[in-house]
Amino acid sequence: DAKTTQPTSMDCAEGRAANLPCNHSTISGNEYVYWYRQIHSQGPQYIIHGLKNNETNEMASLIITEDRKSSTLILPHATLRDTAVYYCIVRESNDMRFGAGTRLTVKP
Amino acid sequence: GAVVSQHPSRVICKSGTSVKIECRSLDFQATTMFWYRQFPKQSLMLMATSNEGSKATYEQGVEKDKFLINHASLTLSTLTVTSAHPEDSSFYICSASAANTEAFFGQGTRLTVV
Repeated sequence: DAKTTQPTSMDCAEGRAANLPCNHSTISGNEYVYWYRQIHSQGPQYIIHGLKNNETNEMASLIITEDRKSSTLILPHATLRDTAVYYCIVRESNDMRFGAGTRLTVKP
Repeated sequence: GAVVSQHPSRVICKSGTSVKIECRSLDFQATTMFWYRQFPKQSLMLMATSNEGSKATYEQGVEKDKFLINHASLTLSTLTVTSAHPEDSSFYICSASAANTEAFFGQGTRLTVV
């Protein structure tokens, strides 16, 4: 069973920031938060991950609350190509299960 | 990011035959590989987790004699769907992970059993 809950869908205007929330209230101390996205009929693409601190890379930023019970993925300037299903996963080494994810639609 | 190659990308087979899907990590050693299946408009469902040199750990409800997983080396895992039937038609996806690092996914294999 997935350990995360995400909104089913979200819309975002092209060029604006997309903020995707994720709740993981039962996360344990050794578990990382990972974000992936899947564009139709392709394998998921890794975006970013973190343990406690906020993280940023060329694709996105990850904000993790101090109690680690929730996080937000931020795409700073969404483009039409960012339309995808975004999955938040809480993972220890040998367990990687997907929840339902959030379908993000970026609109012109 | 690291590259995981999955082959074939599409396969059509006759009912009752077996199909093998390969998953290779091209530029890193994968200590753990995951196999998923995905039905249309649904999320990925974990089928099994395999560590190199060990038997795979199957999720509840996944028949290990039907979905044979081999992870004989640090760069290759295979999933064989034995005696395939139309209900096995699905999108199968592998991912590979080095120790305590992010997992990278293959492109997926669309299996159609006719």
